[in-house]
Amino acid sequence: KAGVTQTPRYLIKTRGQQVTLSCSPISGHRSVSWYQQTPGQGLQFLFEYFSETQRNKGNFPGRFSGRQFSNSRSEMNVSTLELGDSALYLCASSVTGGNSPLHFGNGTRLTVT
Amino acid sequence: KNEVEQSPQNLTAQEGEFITINCSYSVGISALHWLQQHPGGGIVSLFMLSSGKKKHGRLIATINIQEKHSSLHITASHPRDSAVYICAVPPFGNEKLTFGTGTRLTIIP
Repeated sequence: KAGVTQTPRYLIKTRGQQVTLSCSPISGHRSVSWYQQTPGQGLQFLFEYFSETQRNKGNFPGRFSGRQFSNSRSEMNVSTLELGDSALYLCASSVTGGNSPLHFGNGTRLTVT
Repeated sequence: KNEVEQSPQNLTAQEGEFITINCSYSVGISALHWLQQHPGGGIVSLFMLSSGKKKHGRLIATINIQEKHSSLHITASHPRDSAVYICAVPPFGNEKLTFGTGTRLTIIP
């Protein structure tokens, strides 16, 4: 069974640009959640989607958004990038959400210059 | 607000030692996750547990729901166990995971 696939693995953007990251979950998993990891703040929850609906959102500004498609693939978008958005962005898929085992992708490392 | 505390933050031990990492949380939960992160960033889910104890190879996880506390134990530690171990909890009725700050484990041969 293929694991969770995140693309791209690395990304370099400049301030003010926008970026879209992609996450393909394990087949049959309907929940996809996104996380930001920085040295200063650690791992933080961004949002979680289940069957194309956002069920929960973390404490991030509106510049961070996401969506989920009917095949459960998910994208997250960050607009008007700031230097502080430089981070490792991870997604995880599961059958039903946080109360079922999580499977993480390898992450996308975003650098904003 | 859900707070998750881990201890210790850093742990260095000799190969073969028994390792214990602790996690305490402040709100009611239905499950707790233990995660392992190696250099390079990839995260592997080790355990998800809601009561009692789970064992996988040399790893054992326990949870006491009443005391809001969980422990991760590693028996016969090995240098390949060197990683950051993170606990994470979703509060009742919520998928919004809150993470501990992680425990950086280094096993010396």
